[in-house]
Amino acid sequence: QVQLQESGPGLVKPSQTLSLTCTVSGGSISSGSYYWSWIRQPAGKGLEWIGRIYTSGNTNYNPSLKSRVTISVDTSKNQFSLKLSSVTAADTAVYYCASVNYDILAFDYWGQGTLVPVSS
Amino acid sequence: DIQLTQSPSFLSASVGDRVTITCRASQGISSYLAWYQQKPGKAPKLLIYAASTLQSGVPSRFSGSGSGTEFTLTISSLQPEDFATYYCQQLNSYPPTFGGGAKVEIK
Repeated sequence: QVQLQESGPGLVKPSQTLSLTCTVSGGSISSGSYYWSWIRQPAGKGLEWIGRIYTSGNTNYNPSLKSRVTISVDTSKNQFSLKLSSVTAADTAVYYCASVNYDILAFDYWGQGTLVPVSS
Repeated sequence: DIQLTQSPSFLSASVGDRVTITCRASQGISSYLAWYQQKPGKAPKLLIYAASTLQSGVPSRFSGSGSGTEFTLTISSLQPEDFATYYCQQLNSYPPTFGGGAKVEIK
């Protein structure tokens, strides 16, 4: 059973860079059947896809965030990471990492989520 | 981006009720639609993928149907643990998008 766990600073100041890491356990991040995504959810609101990375390193980002997002992967540590630059209060949200199974084209495993407030 | 519109956004129902939630896509997405259940403070949980295929371990009272632009999630007999918010999501077209959610509360 694949498990994902987000980690990172609990608070980020406006204009700084939000950095989170997702550690994958119970399976290899290099599995050919998966790619890896970040999704966020502001309090009381819906879900927004941020971007994805393949273990090849290829990435796709949501056009609404593309200029500020970088997703990377470290296969040796079974981790992938998110960086979101120039944050504002509007970026305050619960951030989830999730896997997409190519075979079913759905987010089948999710981390528990981590709340990242943006505040001075 | 493909917009997904869920209706109703809120519904009040009783244990044992049959509940149906609709998801309409702004353009055709074939059958590349998934449904998720989210409880407060928890991550979404995959219920159905490919519009109608039940994820392993999900009770059979959940079912999905539809293709193209109109999809439905049905709970045949609502149980106490089913009170939650439900989201549809498409992966047919980049970027992936989610519906606004449908909150199912106890009447």
